[in-house]
Amino acid sequence: DVKVTQSSRYLVKRTGEKVFLECVQDMDHENMFWYRQDPGLGLRLIYFSYDVKMKEKGDIPEGYSVSREKKERFSLILESASTSQTSMYLCASGSNYGYTFGSGTRLTVV
Amino acid sequence: KNEVEQSPQNLTAQEGEFITINCSYSVGISALHWLQQHPGGGIVSLFMLSSGKKKHGRLIATINIQEKHSSLHITASHPRDSAVYICAGKISNFGNEKLTFGTGTRLTIIP
Repeated sequence: DVKVTQSSRYLVKRTGEKVFLECVQDMDHENMFWYRQDPGLGLRLIYFSYDVKMKEKGDIPEGYSVSREKKERFSLILESASTSQTSMYLCASGSNYGYTFGSGTRLTVV
Repeated sequence: KNEVEQSPQNLTAQEGEFITINCSYSVGISALHWLQQHPGGGIVSLFMLSSGKKKHGRLIATINIQEKHSSLHITASHPRDSAVYICAGKISNFGNEKLTFGTGTRLTIIP
């Protein structure tokens, strides 16, 4: 069964901390995506990557960065976490045949 | 205005009822996805379609490219169908692609 695995299901961090969210896929997909999901706003694209070491800004990249050193791993980094970044974070990988989503990381910044 | 709009936002129905969720989009898309998200859970891809109709069990998805409209139907609905259903358009731009999402329809099926 194909999988997208996110490292943490729930995370609580303090304001100003550097936060790493990890995502690993086992489908050899080239495309990987990070979204955040907020009530009433739906899913919004933060960053995406089409290949190793390549990254593109999505619709709301401010306050975030990403890293893709290996094809299977796509990391989302919050350089200095703020309370406005409290949200559900979802990773996905995709191909022409469809997308597979991870189970999400619910991040709370206090 | 969102590029992908869903209706209704919330839907409550009795077990056994036929359910329809609608999705309209205002941009050119290469495919449309229907996704399901259970409370606290991840997102599962139900369908990806670019024309016509697809069926999987009690779920049916249709798309009308000319009218820029898609529907998700659930026949003989069951409480376990209670979830948020999300449509997303796949937009391709200079070889890159990304999904643009509707805000979701929260479906509750009452036993």
